[in-house]
Amino acid sequence: EVQLVESGGGLVQPGGSLKLSCVASGFTFRDYWMNWVRQAPGKTMEWIGDIKPDGSNTNYAPSVKNRFTISRDNAKSILYLQMSNMRSDYTATYYCVRADYYSGGFDYWGQGVMVTVSS
Amino acid sequence: DIQMTQSPSFLSASVGDRVTINCKASQNINKYLNWYQQKLGEAPKRLIYNTNNLQTGIPSRFSGSGSGTDYTLTISSLQPEDFATYFCLQHNSFPYTFGAGTKLELK
Repeated sequence: EVQLVESGGGLVQPGGSLKLSCVASGFTFRDYWMNWVRQAPGKTMEWIGDIKPDGSNTNYAPSVKNRFTISRDNAKSILYLQMSNMRSDYTATYYCVRADYYSGGFDYWGQGVMVTVSS
Repeated sequence: DIQMTQSPSFLSASVGDRVTINCKASQNINKYLNWYQQKLGEAPKRLIYNTNNLQTGIPSRFSGSGSGTDYTLTISSLQPEDFATYFCLQHNSFPYTFGAGTKLELK
């Protein structure tokens, strides 16, 4: 059974940093593109970035480029999201999401972790 | 970016009803449209991929249709466990974008 479990959320001050983790299990993690998606309260889901299976390439949404860094540890099957210089509009639930290797799009999601940016 | 307009935002229905939820893309997305179900505190679950392909393990009362810019999720006979939020995802072009969601409530 594919499982994605995020952790590391919480309250952070504007301008601060936070690192989220996503532990993957039930599949060969190193074979899949992985993504982060977020949903601010009352807003639509927003794709924020992805990372190639071997970690050699990442892509980011313009709204987070140069503030967020996605990385992965294939030996431990963990996906990371390092967030820095955070703003209040980054308050959201952050989801770890697997890309569908065969059909495209996203197939499996984590349950999400809440991040609140506030002083 | 492709804009996805989902309707309705809220839907009130009864067990046994047939319901439809729509997503309209701002341009042709070539049937690269997925539907997801989300319950409070749970991981979103994929129901339908590429317009009309039922995810393994999803009941056959869920179906999808559409082409070009217009897509529909149909639940043929609502069951108590179907009351949830549903949203669409286009994966025709980056950045992938989502519909705003439809909250399906018990009438």
